[in-house]
Amino acid sequence: DTGVSQNPRHKITKRGQNVTFRCDPISEHNRLYWYRQTLGQGPEFLTYFQNEAQLEKSRLLSDRFSAERPKGSFSTLEIQRTEQGDSAMYLCASSLTSSSTGELFFGEGSRLTVL
Amino acid sequence: QKEVEQDPGPLSVPEGAIVSLNCTYSNSAFQYFMWYRQYSRKGPELLMYTYSSGNKEDGRFTAQVDKSSKYISLFIRDSQPSDSATYLCAMSFTGTASKLTFGTGTRLQVTL
Repeated sequence: DTGVSQNPRHKITKRGQNVTFRCDPISEHNRLYWYRQTLGQGPEFLTYFQNEAQLEKSRLLSDRFSAERPKGSFSTLEIQRTEQGDSAMYLCASSLTSSSTGELFFGEGSRLTVL
Repeated sequence: QKEVEQDPGPLSVPEGAIVSLNCTYSNSAFQYFMWYRQYSRKGPELLMYTYSSGNKEDGRFTAQVDKSSKYISLFIRDSQPSDSATYLCAMSFTGTASKLTFGTGTRLQVTL
């Protein structure tokens, strides 16, 4: 399967702990996005990369959140000192800037539960 | 007020019904409009993509955009149980793989 892969699929953690999610995009895609989705809501943009450069960060992304995309391949999203409000599905998507439709291809998400 | 508002649902219809899903938006700078479908515990997948005002048809699906009213719609004809999912409208300022702003989603259930 050559789609977007996210790991782990589900993470349960205690408040105050750090968690890290990994996203492996479709191999030739140069753009990578992170979104957060809570129950009954649409995905909310967090940040995106073009190759290894982080081009935009949402104001939703507090200082406890950090994302990286070393070498423009996989990406990691780290949440430090987790809070219960961080409980959500974290979605990764990738795309090609040359795409005529700008379609974003999403992974199945990493669900975070903060106890 | 959110930039993109979507009818909340949930919506339950019998198989074969015509379904109408709608979104309104406030920012006239949005130029590209999409509908994504999201099955339970899955990521969203692109269903329809439109740029200009008017209608675009793809099989049983028709996307409609009215930029003057800042209103977009998705129509599903002859709905099937396999259409049961959450439908998300999404829009962007530029079409080239740019950031998307999503609506809240409408959950659709098509019953036998």
